[in-house]
Formats: sequence, structure tokens, C-alpha cells
Amino acid sequence: GAGVSQTPSNKVTEKGKYVELRCDPISGHTALYWYRQSLGQGPEFLIYFQGTGAADDSGLPNDRFFAVRPEGSVSTLKIQRTERGDSAVYLCASSLSGSLNTEAFFGQGTRLTVV
Amino acid sequence: DAKTTQPPSMDCAEGRAANLPCNHSTISGNEYVYWYRQIHSQGPQYIIHGLKNNETNEMASLIITEDRKSSTLILPHATLRDTAVYYCIVRVGYGNKLVFGAGTILRVKS
Repeated sequence: GAGVSQTPSNKVTEKGKYVELRCDPISGHTALYWYRQSLGQGPEFLIYFQGTGAADDSGLPNDRFFAVRPEGSVSTLKIQRTERGDSAVYLCASSLSGSLNTEAFFGQGTRLTVV
Repeated sequence: DAKTTQPPSMDCAEGRAANLPCNHSTISGNEYVYWYRQIHSQGPQYIIHGLKNNETNEMASLIITEDRKSSTLILPHATLRDTAVYYCIVRVGYGNKLVFGAGTILRVKS
């Protein structure tokens, strides 16, 4: 596709369950970012990949959150033992490279609701 | 990370220029200023970015002061579809995160 694709668009899960959120970046983009956005707030950085490796995971809130990008393209954000406070829109972005002079393009997000 | 300060909200008449200010007084020499906007229920949309020179593209113009401590995003002819939250961001470090603040809610009114 032409843009960043995120699936599913909506996910409802029960407290304590495990969820996976998928991001398909723009083809050829080596940098990939995950953010989450709570209602009424700006997006909050979670993790940045350059290729297959996580170059900066300083935004992951705790060890229940984990992300992978095994082949340097598609990425999966994994959340274990979900809590109601994890409810948010999870956004993925990609850019051609990780340089400061390269814009990042965002997907439409996955709305996660933990009940 | 450099911080940005934006007014929480602004109004603009349809067809007029919208000028959105941003202060980034702690910006460092190699840090870029980025602007994104977010329309309700959509992902952030890239608008423009710059280092120290003024920039223009099909969407907007970015004016950066000589000391780089502030900038202004200009939408030359605002339309109702430009109603959104506008984020001014200073991008720091190699490949590093875009640190979003609260942004400015721009309301374009007919």
C-alpha cells in the first residue's frame, strides 16, 4: 500500500489478556516508530527501530510491553497481562531513514480498549 | 529533549491566513523543527520541517527566527478542513523520537 497500515483498527480485550498489534510500514522505510495516544493528549513515544533492531526503547512503560521487527519491515507490538490503563490509540510511523531531516509518516492507529 | 510551547487554541476565519506560533527556546544547533497536524480520529499528518531557513511547500510555510528560538507555521488560505490539532516538535538525536506536546487546536470558522 501507499501508506503505513495498522491492523486491527479496533481491538477490545479483557483485562489480563495478551494482545498483538501489527504495523506495515511504507515499503523501503528503514525506520519504524511506535507511539500511543490517550484521549486529549499528544502521541507518546514508545520505541524506535532502525532495521531489525530496537535503537531506542526508552518509552516502553514497563516489561509488559515488547515490540519486534524480525525482518526489518513489519513490526508487532505485544502487550502482556493487559490493564485498563493500557487503553489508548497505538500509532505506528515509518520514515525512509532515521535521520533528523527525514519526515515520518503515521498510520491511522489501532484503538485498544481493555475492559 | 528540547521543549516547545504553543497556545492551546486559536481561531481563524475561513480564507484568511492562519499563523500558528511556537516557542522552542532551548533548541540546539542540529535540531530540526517539525510540524504535524492531527484531524479527529486520524493519525498525525506531516506538514513541514526546517532547520534554520524558512521553508515552503504545497501545504504551508515555516518561518524560523534567526536565533531559532521560535517559529511560525503559516497556512496561507485556511479552509474548514484545516481544523485540527497542530503540533510543533523539535526532533532530537539520531533517528530519535518526535516528542509531541499538547499542540494548538486550530478552529477555522466560516
